[in-house]
Amino acid sequence: DVRLEESGGKTEQPGRSLRLSCEASGFTFSSYSMNWVRQAPGKGLEWISYISGGGETTYYADSLEGRFVVSRDNAKKSLYLQMNRLRADDTAVYYCTRDILIPSGRFFDNWGQGALVTVSS
Amino acid sequence: QSVLTQPPSTSGTPGQRITISCSGSNSNVGKNPVNWYQQHPGAAPKLLIFNFNQRPSGVPERFSGSRSDTSASLAIDGLQSEDVAHYYCVAWDDSVNGYVFGTGTEVSVL
Repeated sequence: DVRLEESGGKTEQPGRSLRLSCEASGFTFSSYSMNWVRQAPGKGLEWISYISGGGETTYYADSLEGRFVVSRDNAKKSLYLQMNRLRADDTAVYYCTRDILIPSGRFFDNWGQGALVTVSS
Repeated sequence: QSVLTQPPSTSGTPGQRITISCSGSNSNVGKNPVNWYQQHPGAAPKLLIFNFNQRPSGVPERFSGSRSDTSASLAIDGLQSEDVAHYYCVAWDDSVNGYVFGTGTEVSVL
């Protein structure tokens, strides 16, 4: 079975940095692009980042203003999100998702259980 | 980031058919497949419909999707109490090179 498990969520102060990890199992990790999606408390879902299977292509939501960096280590079957210059509005549950590409387009099929990041002084 | 527009909430009686709309633009819904996710309180979202109208294994046939121009819809036939959840549409947007989510719709059963 496909399994995605996020870790690294914690309470951090504004302006500091934090790195989230997502460990994958049950599939050939390097063959799939991956995404990060977040959800602020009581709010909707927001896509924030995409990375291709080999890591050579990345995309980010404009709302991040260049503060986050996505990366992956295929040997470790792990996805990462480096979050810099944290702000209060980064407070959210962060999910990693597996990306599926089909002839007509793409979607995410599997999600992790999420990691809670709270930005507060 | 642009978003797709959904009604904030909708409701129905058990057994009723309800629909949820998702309005976008030519760069997302009008060009790329729309996918739908169901999210129960406290849980991660679950894929419900992909590529406009395809259901993953295990999703009941009473869930269906469609698209017309720059709008998409999710229909639930035979509404059940277990369908109480939030529903989100999402599509890839070529103008921003990223996914855009709908604003989300809360479904309740009367």
